Amino acid sequence: EAGVAQSPRYKIIEKRQSVAFWCNPISGHATLYWYQQILGQGPKLLIQFQNNGVVDDSQLPKDRFSAERLKGVDSTLKIQPAKLEDSAVYLCASSLMVSGISYEQYFGPGTRLTVT
Amino acid sequence: QKEVEQDPGPLSVPEGAIVSLNCTYSNSAFQYFMWYRQYSRKGPELLMYTYSSGNKEDGRFTAQVDKSSKYISLFIRDSQPSDSATYLCAMRETSYDKVIFGPGTSLSVIP
Repeated sequence: EAGVAQSPRYKIIEKRQSVAFWCNPISGHATLYWYQQILGQGPKLLIQFQNNGVVDDSQLPKDRFSAERLKGVDSTLKIQPAKLEDSAVYLCASSLMVSGISYEQYFGPGTRLTVT
Repeated sequence: QKEVEQDPGPLSVPEGAIVSLNCTYSNSAFQYFMWYRQYSRKGPELLMYTYSSGNKEDGRFTAQVDKSSKYISLFIRDSQPSDSATYLCAMRETSYDKVIFGPGTSLSVIP
């Protein structure tokens, strides 16, 4: 079974530039998550999708971050404009949904973003 | 007070040692407790998953949950160099799916 795919793996941009990350979840996983992991910290949920609908985006800085999952499969996360404090690893995860409960989250390798 | 706390380490032990990793939390509504292992430049992978209080064993790994103390532990027996990674505790409430991660403890097992 193929895992969660993410691209690019690394990205370096200057502040105020824009950047986009792509995620392809495990086939059949209805739930998709984007996390931000700052060095030395645990992952922090940015947004959770159930199929193509948003379940939780309470911690997404909506003035600069946006995410979409138009066809309920792959997803993109965009930052515009980027700030220095956005330097982090952006992790995508997916999970099965059974009877309204999401089970084990499978993580991709992440995209390491450096904002200079 | 942070919702989930862990000693960041780094923790360095000799091969074969017993390792104890711990987390404390403040939200008494947490019912599901997890331990993830994260190798350098990789995403986290689930190691152990327990519900409510008690112990769960899987090979060399044992997870303990003490809800009365709001304290969870992961024990690794006969530690191996391949166990060198960051260990993240994580937890969620029964009826809400959002998972809260601790900051992680970095472990090095020296051959």
